[in-house]
Amino acid sequence: GQQLNQSPQSMFIQEGEDVSMNCTSSSIFNTWLWYKQEPGEGPVLLIALYKAGELTSNGRLTAQFGITRKDSFLNISASIPSDVGIYFCAGRYTGNQFYFGTGTSLTVIP
Amino acid sequence: EAQVTQNPRYLITVTGKKLTVTCSQNMNHEYMSWYRQDPGLGLRQIYYSMNVEVTDKGDVPEGYKVSRKEKRNFPLILESPSPNQTSLYFCASHRYNEQFFGPGTRLTVL
Repeated sequence: GQQLNQSPQSMFIQEGEDVSMNCTSSSIFNTWLWYKQEPGEGPVLLIALYKAGELTSNGRLTAQFGITRKDSFLNISASIPSDVGIYFCAGRYTGNQFYFGTGTSLTVIP
Repeated sequence: EAQVTQNPRYLITVTGKKLTVTCSQNMNHEYMSWYRQDPGLGLRQIYYSMNVEVTDKGDVPEGYKVSRKEKRNFPLILESPSPNQTSLYFCASHRYNEQFFGPGTRLTVL
């Protein structure tokens, strides 16, 4: 299957700091998605990207669809304690197969 | 309230004892999927369904079966579970790109 590499694997940051994480693939995708998973729950969609070069924001979150279509980036500005969780990227080429990254675990220290 | 439900939430069983994990959605979505989540590997798609009686293999289908006799239900069947199927399982339904995930089923096979 497709391999999506997410980095970093984990982050420990102070409240108020900005966060950056990225995801790279060995294949191109037509859609990139970013999810957040909190303990004991399923992932929840944060941002969906549909076009190479697209930059989309959702509150303090901003994600970009890489121009090569093989990567995507997520930034969180001015982190707060409730940003804690695991962030996953996911890619979709066509059809209904979704490929997920390995996740970035975010810890925010108050 | 729009939701995906899974049962049971926790299950401990023994090798070879057939089991079924149920999944139900109330959003009238055509598409449903099953994923397993393992540490360091992210979520991997097991099977997906495009509509009633239409299913297809995802990335890791070996050892699993599914059925889609009704639009709202998509059970996951392990006919002869083995210890390497110990994992956290998620059901999801979607229309377009926004997948709604269930709360997860933690399965342990001894």
